[in-house]
Amino acid sequence: KAGVTQTPRYLIKTRGQQVTLSCSPISGHRSVSWYQQTPGQGLQFLFEYFSETQRNKGNFPGRFSGRQFSNSRSEMNVSTLELGDSALYLCASSLGISETATYNEQFFGPGTRLTVL
Amino acid sequence: AQTVTQSQPEMSVQEAETVTLSCTYDTSESDYYLFWYKQPPSRQMILVIRQEAYKQQNATENRFSVNFQKAAKSFSLKISDSQLGDAAMYFCPHNDMRFGAGTRLTVKP
Repeated sequence: KAGVTQTPRYLIKTRGQQVTLSCSPISGHRSVSWYQQTPGQGLQFLFEYFSETQRNKGNFPGRFSGRQFSNSRSEMNVSTLELGDSALYLCASSLGISETATYNEQFFGPGTRLTVL
Repeated sequence: AQTVTQSQPEMSVQEAETVTLSCTYDTSESDYYLFWYKQPPSRQMILVIRQEAYKQQNATENRFSVNFQKAAKSFSLKISDSQLGDAAMYFCPHNDMRFGAGTRLTVKP
């Protein structure tokens, strides 16, 4: 079974631009979660999608948004990029059987390294 | 808000020795799951071990075991016979997906 894939793997943008990251979950997984990882803040939860609906949300500004398609693939969008948005963005998928995704094991992708100049 | 605290930003262990990583959490739920995930350098995050709160028996996976103290809201990970491949960032998320800052484990040969 193929693992979680994320595209692109590396991205360089300038302040004020917007960016879209993509995540393809493991086949059969219905839940996709997004995380931002920085050296100072560790791993912070952005949001989780289940069956095309946002089911949980972290504490990030509205510039961060996402969506999930009928095939469970998910995209994350960041508008009006700031220098502080430079980070590794991780996507994780799980079966999503229970109400909260992390009752199930999460399978992580390799991440997208975003650099904002 | 439910939170997870890993009080040890960095830990070091000699190869073949035993090390314990600490984790405390805060929750108002009575039934929940706790996890330890491992993120090796430049590699993907993987699950190490999982503990269900309603189970009194501590979870064990080969060289990895947990010490789950529900009343104290403590969930530590013990790694026995440490190997060089155990070097990684370790995270202990609660089931509300808050991972926290993690603990960086270094294994010395």
